[in-house]
Amino acid sequence: DARVTQTPRHKVTEMGQEVTMRCQPILGHNTVFWYRQTMMQGLELLAYFRNRAPLDDSGMPKDRFSAEMPDATLATLKIQPSEPRDSAVYFCASAQRPRGDTQYFGPGTRLTVL
Amino acid sequence: EDKVVQSPLSLVVHEGDTVTLNCSYEVTNFRSLLWYKQEKKAPTFLFMLTSSGIEKKSGRLSSILDKKELFSILNITATQTGDSAIYLCAGLMDSNYQLIWGAGTKLIIKP
Repeated sequence: DARVTQTPRHKVTEMGQEVTMRCQPILGHNTVFWYRQTMMQGLELLAYFRNRAPLDDSGMPKDRFSAEMPDATLATLKIQPSEPRDSAVYFCASAQRPRGDTQYFGPGTRLTVL
Repeated sequence: EDKVVQSPLSLVVHEGDTVTLNCSYEVTNFRSLLWYKQEKKAPTFLFMLTSSGIEKKSGRLSSILDKKELFSILNITATQTGDSAIYLCAGLMDSNYQLIWGAGTKLIIKP
């Protein structure tokens, strides 16, 4: 059945290292969202794309985070250099706009930066 | 500023009880309200509400939207331990299809 996939599921790294997270949206979905979830902040929208074009990345710290969609089946979120405060669960979600309002979430990447 | 406020933030009840979770919203160009359930992993979709006063139902869960008073409720009857989760609501903006998320209600069902 169709679902959003994310890799890796868990990542432990040291401060200063580069982290790359990948997302494969549901086939046919044209809108991809990146969220970060922490206990303190809840779900925060970092960036989103429609038809591979970035529409909004205002939620993302620009100096260290970058998001791209090299093709319709792959979205990436990169952190360079990583910091301990980046430790969180990062979710990717996809949707088919404008037909569908529902966002379908991937399983998340749990990132720990030591 | 767009915001979604959920209450209570946490709730502990016994199996078999009925619970009502609240969600109020102030969302520019409001299009619809969505409810999600989050257990240990990713949020999973429950309901999408677009029209006022029309109840959506799925088993023991039901939800309704009031677009005049800008709120929604999620009801769970005959609760079970498997209903323990964080319940998130989010308002969808028509202009850019962004979801504005509430902080969630953490529901714990005791056997």
